[in-house]
Amino acid sequence: EVQLVESGGGLVQPGGSLRLSCAASGFTFGSHWMHWVRQAPGKGLVWVSRISADGRFTDYADSVKGRFTISRDNAKNTLYLQMNSLRAEDTAVYYCARGSPGDWGQGTLVTVSS
Amino acid sequence: DIQMTQSPSSLSASVGDRVTITCRASQDIRNDLGWYQQKPGKAPKRLIYGASSLQSGVPSRFSGSGSGTEFTLTISSLQPEDFATYYCLQFNSSPLTFGGGTKLEI
Repeated sequence: EVQLVESGGGLVQPGGSLRLSCAASGFTFGSHWMHWVRQAPGKGLVWVSRISADGRFTDYADSVKGRFTISRDNAKNTLYLQMNSLRAEDTAVYYCARGSPGDWGQGTLVTVSS
Repeated sequence: DIQMTQSPSSLSASVGDRVTITCRASQDIRNDLGWYQQKPGKAPKRLIYGASSLQSGVPSRFSGSGSGTEFTLTISSLQPEDFATYYCLQFNSSPLTFGGGTKLEI
């Protein structure tokens, strides 16, 4: 069974940093593209970033480009999202997802507030 | 960026009704589209991939159609558990973009 478990969310001040993790199991992690998608409270889904199976290709939404960095450790079956220079508008539930994307984690809440 | 225009944004229906939700892409995305169901406080669940292929385990009352720029999700006979918010997603080109969502209410 595919499992994706996000962690690392929490309360951070504007301008601060946070690193999210997504632990994967139940499939060959190193064979799949992975994504981060976020959802602000009461709002719709917004794609944030993706990374190729081997980690060599990454891609970002304009709203996070230059501030967020996606990465992965295929030996540890873990996806990451390093978030710097956080803003109030980054407040959201962050989901990791596999593939096109098909399977999703349960999400982790990031709140940016002073 | 490819814009995904989803309609309607909300829909009132009854158990047993047939409902259709539409997504229009601002340019040709072939069949690179998925449909997702999301219930409050839960992660999205994919129902349809490749515009018309039913995800394993999803009831056959859900169906998807279309290609190019016009896509539809149809629920043939609404069940109580289908009341949720539905989104389309194009993954033809970056940035991936979602439709604005359709809230299906009783």
